[in-house]
Amino acid sequence: EAGVTQFPSHSVIEKGQTVTLRCDPISGHDNLYWYRRVMGKEIKFLLHFVKESKQDESGMPNNRFLAERTGGTYSTLKVQPAELEDSGVYFCASSHNRGLRDGYTFGSGTRLTVV
Amino acid sequence: AQKVTQAQTEISVVEKEDVTLDCVYETRDTTYYLFWYKQPPSGELVFLIRRNSFDEQNEISGRYSWNFQKSTSSFNFTITASQVVDSAVYFCALRAIIQGAQKLVFGQGTRLTINP
Repeated sequence: EAGVTQFPSHSVIEKGQTVTLRCDPISGHDNLYWYRRVMGKEIKFLLHFVKESKQDESGMPNNRFLAERTGGTYSTLKVQPAELEDSGVYFCASSHNRGLRDGYTFGSGTRLTVV
Repeated sequence: AQKVTQAQTEISVVEKEDVTLDCVYETRDTTYYLFWYKQPPSGELVFLIRRNSFDEQNEISGRYSWNFQKSTSSFNFTITASQVVDSAVYFCALRAIIQGAQKLVFGQGTRLTINP
């Protein structure tokens, strides 16, 4: 079984530019999550998709962030325009069920640096 | 509040020493799950263990062991006879219901460096 795939693995952009991160979950996993870790801090929840629907986007920091999951397969997270404080590692995870017991499988993350 | 605290930001030990990573959590829920993840230099988050709130048995897996104590709201992780390959950032996480939705709440992470 292929794992959760994220790309790019690294991205360096200038302030004001746009960046799009992509996540391919494990096939058949309806639940897809985005998390973010800014430098030295905890990993924080951004949002949760169930299939193509946004179940919970309470963690999205502001309207410069837009997440989509067309067709309920892969997801994209766009940052436009990027700011310095957006730098960090963006993780994607997927799971089959939504219960508390179910484990997440995380991707390798995308390290975003805004200069 | 749902919160996880890993008070140790960085730990550095010499190979073969035992090391314990602390994790303290806060939750109002009676049912919850606790996790430990490892983030090696390659970047991915690797699942290590899941423990539910009704199971306080300690667990051992090779050189790794976990001590879950509800009385102190702690879920500590011990590596015995540490090896250089254990060097990584380790995250403790709580999975609970927050505002009607279940989420993973992570601690700040502990960077563990094992020196040869």
